[in-house]
Amino acid sequence: EAQVTQNPRYLITVTGKKLTVTCSQNMNHEYMSWYRQDPGLGLRQIYYSMNVEVTDKGDVPEGYKVSRKEKRNFPLILESPSPNQTSLYFCASSLSKAANTEAFFGQGTRLTVV
Amino acid sequence: EDQVTQSPEALRLQEGESSSLNCSYTVSGLRGLFWYRQDPGKGPEFLFTLYSAGEEKEKERLKATLTKKESFLHITAPKPEDSATYLCAVLSNTGFQKLVFGTGTRLLVSP
Repeated sequence: EAQVTQNPRYLITVTGKKLTVTCSQNMNHEYMSWYRQDPGLGLRQIYYSMNVEVTDKGDVPEGYKVSRKEKRNFPLILESPSPNQTSLYFCASSLSKAANTEAFFGQGTRLTVV
Repeated sequence: EDQVTQSPEALRLQEGESSSLNCSYTVSGLRGLFWYRQDPGKGPEFLFTLYSAGEEKEKERLKATLTKKESFLHITAPKPEDSATYLCAVLSNTGFQKLVFGTGTRLLVSP
């Protein structure tokens, strides 16, 4: 089954404790991205990647890191999480590196930073 | 800066009562406009992509249309299972591969 898998689904952590949210897709897609979703603000793009070793900032990259060492995986790293990073996070992938084809989203990771 | 505004924020319909959702956009050059459906606690699910003004696409009770300034998602004779949040997003010609989303329209269809 074609899918984007995120882990974990839920995470509660403390301020400053480094964490990684994993994202994996099984569709051989070129383009992958991370979003955060907050009430009243909608989905905002954090980082995206058009190919292996090619990443770029979205609209809200501060406090986040990503890497794309393999085509299928695109982890999101919070080196020193803060409470304002409490949010619902989604990973997505799409076939074209131009991002002009449908995106497949993961199930989401609800992160709480206390 | 690319902007997407969706209206209304929320919409309540009776089963069978047709209506339309609006997505107004401002971009330097449109490469694609996307509609997604999002159910509570789940990731968005793709519905349509529109690439140029005048284009229309249909899927079951949904029909998406596009002009140079806005897109409409028409819902004909909705059913309770159409209840969800509908998201609109644009991809522009800025040279960056960034999708910009609106904040969505929450649709509730009552039996």
